[in-house]
Amino acid sequence: NAGVTQTPKFQVLKTGQSMTLQCAQDMNHEYMSWYRQDPGMGLRLIHYSVGAGITDQGEVPNGYNVSRSTTEDFPLRLLSAAPSQTSVYFCASRSRVRGQGEKLFFGSGTQLSVL
Amino acid sequence: KQEVTQIPAALSVPEGENLVLNCSFTDSAIYNLQWFRQDPGKGLTSLLLIQSSQREQTSGRLNASLDKSSGRSTLYIAASQPGDSATYLCAVRQGYKAAGNKLTFGGGTRVLVKP
Repeated sequence: NAGVTQTPKFQVLKTGQSMTLQCAQDMNHEYMSWYRQDPGMGLRLIHYSVGAGITDQGEVPNGYNVSRSTTEDFPLRLLSAAPSQTSVYFCASRSRVRGQGEKLFFGSGTQLSVL
Repeated sequence: KQEVTQIPAALSVPEGENLVLNCSFTDSAIYNLQWFRQDPGKGLTSLLLIQSSQREQTSGRLNASLDKSSGRSTLYIAASQPGDSATYLCAVRQGYKAAGNKLTFGGGTRVLVKP
């Protein structure tokens, strides 16, 4: 059982380049989300989705786009990379079953550097 | 705005000692609270999830308590082992649909268990 898989693990971009961070889960979870983790800022929600075809913004959405065409996949697109987007990005998912089913499962992260 | 604080930021204990990790939050109207473990360079692993109606949750050597009225949760790890060395984060969720299902994370407590 793979859980939440993120690719790539590391990426270096130049300012202005675009790229897509991939996230896939095999647990049939309805809810998926993207967080970024920065020293001194903790984890902050970028975008989330409560099901295929439904996405919404988190607290730091500027400069990022998402789409959810299938239950399994939730890619994060950086439109024009900026140094302020240097961070570690985590994808997470959970089911909508109330109670212990709401535990959040995280991928192993993508370390992104924008030069 | 919900704020989550974890003090101390770092903790070092000898093997075998019990660990007590603290988490405080400013808005007591929470839906649930989770404790996570993060190893260096890795994603977060959910350890325990406590619903707002619960007072505690246990799993093996781990026990988490919740006191909503005082805005506090405590994670107890009995008989600590070197393998417990990691960063422990708590996160609160405000409501079932509130604020985009966002979790507000504390800054974490970095734990070192010395053999």
